[in-house]
Amino acid sequence: GAGVSQTPSNKVTEKGKYVELRCDPISGHTALYWYRQSLGQGPEFLIYFQGTGAADDSGLPNDRFFAVRPEGSVSTLKIQRTERGDSAVYLCASSLVGTPSTDTQYFGPGTRLTVL
Amino acid sequence: QKEVEQNSGPLSVPEGAIASLNCTYSDRGSQSFFWYRQYSGKSPELIMFIYSNGDKEDGRFTAQLNKASQYVSLLIRDSQPSDSATYLCAVKKGNQFYFGTGTSLTVIP
Repeated sequence: GAGVSQTPSNKVTEKGKYVELRCDPISGHTALYWYRQSLGQGPEFLIYFQGTGAADDSGLPNDRFFAVRPEGSVSTLKIQRTERGDSAVYLCASSLVGTPSTDTQYFGPGTRLTVL
Repeated sequence: QKEVEQNSGPLSVPEGAIASLNCTYSDRGSQSFFWYRQYSGKSPELIMFIYSNGDKEDGRFTAQLNKASQYVSLLIRDSQPSDSATYLCAVKKGNQFYFGTGTSLTVIP
């Protein structure tokens, strides 16, 4: 079966531009997470969806970041007025929800965002 | 105080030896604990999860959890060069997963 997919794999943009990053989770997984990983760091939580709603968006760094999951499957992370500090790998993960075994997250390959 | 602390390493062990990776966490309310392996340029992949005190074994890997000491460890027996990677400890608290910065492991042939 297909794993988590993310597009694009790489995105280079200029400071101040708008970008959208897409995540397609594993079929049937109701939970979806976005993370940001900078070089030498662990993934940093951004937002968690349970179904269509953002159950926890406390990790979004500021109001330039926004994410949606309108039909409870594909999610889009949107970044407005990009800054050089936004450069990182953006990871998406999905899981079932419930016991620790079903809380297991499966990560996508990530989108490497570079803001020039 | 960080939610999850790991020694960044690097940790080097000879092939066939036991590699021991350690992690501490700050919040006693943390519910479950995960070890991920991440190869350079790749995304994290799950090795094991543990949520009860004690040991849990899966092949060459053993996870150990001590909630009283807020300590999680991963032992890799018979280390292989293919085990060379960064190992991430993650803790679930509420809806969120908190990751450590990872420990870089090199297994020397």
